[in-house]
Amino acid sequence: GAGVSQSPSNKVTEKGKDVELRCDPISGHTALYWYRQRLGQGLEFLIYFQGNSAPDKSGLPSDRFSAERTGESVSTLTIQRTQQEDSAVYLCASSPWDSTTNEKLLFGSGTQLSVL
Amino acid sequence: GQQLNQSPQSMFIQEGEDVSMNCTSSSIFNTWLWYKQDPGEGPVLLIALYKAGELTSNGRLTAQFGITRKDSFLNISASIPSDVGIYFCAGQLYSGAGSYQLTFGKGTKLSVIP
Repeated sequence: GAGVSQSPSNKVTEKGKDVELRCDPISGHTALYWYRQRLGQGLEFLIYFQGNSAPDKSGLPSDRFSAERTGESVSTLTIQRTQQEDSAVYLCASSPWDSTTNEKLLFGSGTQLSVL
Repeated sequence: GQQLNQSPQSMFIQEGEDVSMNCTSSSIFNTWLWYKQDPGEGPVLLIALYKAGELTSNGRLTAQFGITRKDSFLNISASIPSDVGIYFCAGQLYSGAGSYQLTFGKGTKLSVIP
């Protein structure tokens, strides 16, 4: 597709269960970000991947959160033992790694996670 | 960590009116960005600012990068119903190790009354 694709679009889970969220970036985009957006709030940075470099994990809120990316393709964000405070929209964004990185950062529509 | 204070939190305006919103920070940023988010969608970039003092327009939108590099404003002229949404400012700083993190404000929710 032409845009950043995220799945599922909605996920309802029970407290304590693990969830896996998927992001398909735009082909050729080497940079990939995950952000969390709580209701009525701005976006919180979680993790950043750039090519084969070590990811910047400085935004992950706890060790229950992890993310992987295979090369320059799909990324998965995993939340283990979900808590109610994990309920939020999880947004993925990708961009090319060049001087136009800012202008070409494109977001997916997000995964709405609800933890009951 | 870095924080952005965005105001106002929400606005109700009549169609045709001008709108102004702003962001301030205690930290210096290299780049300021303004995004718009529609319900159920991710944010979409409106304007990017790279130099202190820079004033940039995009149609009915005008944004400025403050001289101190700690603030920015966004103006929308002659608002129309499709301007409804949440507007976010974001500051970007190179955080080392090849990572450009964006710090987002909490957003300004704009409602336009026809």
